[in-house]
Amino acid sequence: GNSVTQMEGPVTLSEEAFLTINCTYTATGYPSLFWYVQYPGEGLQLLLKATKADDKGSNKGFEATYRKETTSFHLEKGSVQVSDSAVYFCALSDRGNQGGKLIFGQGTELSVKP
Amino acid sequence: SQTIHQWPATLVQPVGSPLSLECTVEGTSNPNLYWYRQAAGRGLQLLFYSVGIGQISSEVPQNLSASRPQDRQFILSSKKLLLSDSGFYLCAWNRGAPQETQYFGPGTRLLVL
Repeated sequence: GNSVTQMEGPVTLSEEAFLTINCTYTATGYPSLFWYVQYPGEGLQLLLKATKADDKGSNKGFEATYRKETTSFHLEKGSVQVSDSAVYFCALSDRGNQGGKLIFGQGTELSVKP
Repeated sequence: SQTIHQWPATLVQPVGSPLSLECTVEGTSNPNLYWYRQAAGRGLQLLFYSVGIGQISSEVPQNLSASRPQDRQFILSSKKLLLSDSGFYLCAWNRGAPQETQYFGPGTRLLVL
């Protein structure tokens, strides 16, 4: 079945450090891939998405490239800010998923210190 | 533009009491609707989804139920709450096409005492 695996957190970085959060997936078809962000006490917000192999999603300085050969969708940012502190979720949606369901990873908490 | 509302924002309920959480979506028609639960420090668990009025699919058997009385309204209920029902409940919607983005509401924080 379909699944998403993220690196375990928490991840603690200093401001302006480089961020990578690893995400790998297993899917039977050709899924769309997503990164969502959840700030403390809030719902999830779409951060970026990619719908086919080699697509790069980007938003707010974050990037992720859909790598079919390595079944990965790692999230990167060149210089993190304190305001980036949040929980990040990787997710996939496969055409075969009944009801348009998303399959989520377990989330990675990021803490950025000044 | 589309917006999604959830209420209440916070709820404290005694064990054994009933529950009703409401979610409504504006600015779209015939959306797919979803209920998730997020326990403290954990990931998201899909509870129910609906592809149309009166159509509910359950992902996890438990003492919760869902209903969709109107096209853009999704309700999560329980007749008797358990301590383990505490958590952060999130409603989401998408346009119903395959591989569509899901958009989330602000959530309801439920504490069962």
